[in-house]
Amino acid sequence: QSVLTQPPSVSEAPRQRVTISCSGSRFNIENNAVNWYQQVPGKPPKLLVYYDHLLPSGVSDRFSGSKSGTSASLAISGLQSEDEADYYCASWDDSLNGWVFGGGTKLTVL
Amino acid sequence: QVQLVQSGTEVKKPGASVKVSCKASGYTFITYGISWLRQAPGQGLEWMGWITPYNGNTNYAQNLQGRVTMTTDTSTSTAYMELMSLRSDDTAVYYCARRAIFGGAYYFDNWGQGTLVTVSS
Repeated sequence: QSVLTQPPSVSEAPRQRVTISCSGSRFNIENNAVNWYQQVPGKPPKLLVYYDHLLPSGVSDRFSGSKSGTSASLAISGLQSEDEADYYCASWDDSLNGWVFGGGTKLTVL
Repeated sequence: QVQLVQSGTEVKKPGASVKVSCKASGYTFITYGISWLRQAPGQGLEWMGWITPYNGNTNYAQNLQGRVTMTTDTSTSTAYMELMSLRSDDTAVYYCARRAIFGGAYYFDNWGQGTLVTVSS
C-alpha cells in the first residue's frame, strides 16, 4: 500500500487532455516538492516534472504539474500514443524521513 | 551526456547477499548524490536510500536499515549497493539514480538501466 494515492489507470482519446491525481498528507506533499516520473514498460523511469511544476530540458510542454495542499496533479494535453506509460508521483516524507511514491497510474491512449 | 551504467543480472539464494554497481560518467561524480530504488515485478517504485559521494553520508529507508549498505568509489565514479540476508520478496529490478537539487528540493534526474536481482532457492 503506497503512501501517496494515485488512480490505478486512466484512459483518454488522442488529442484530448487527461489529468492524474496524487494524494498525500501534510508530512509529504503539503510541505515538500512533488516530482513526476514516466515509465515505459521494461525501461527505467524518466523524470517528467520536478519541484511541483518545472519541466526538465527536453520534456514536452504538453506535460504540466500542479499542487494544492495535500494533493498534486499531472496534466497531459494533446494526447499521443507515445504517452502510453505508467506515471508515478513522488515526494519526501518528513515522518518517514524518506521518499514515498504513488502506486503508479497506467495511461491508455484509446 | 550523463550516463549511469549498472552491473548485470544476479540470481541469489535466500540468505545470501548481492552487490550492485552503478558507474557514472558525463558529470563530476562527487557533486551529486546517488539514490537507489527498486521495483518488484508488476509493482511500483520503492526508495531504498541514498549516498552523498562527497562525504560518504548515507540515509537508508527505515524498512531496510541493517540490511543495506551504500558506498562509493570516487576514484572510479562508481556507486555500490549491497543488500544482505536476501529474501524472496527482495526480487526486483534495482535502479541507481542521480540526485539533483533545485530550490532546496531533490529529484532524480538520470537513472541507470536497472539490474534484475532474483532471489530463489
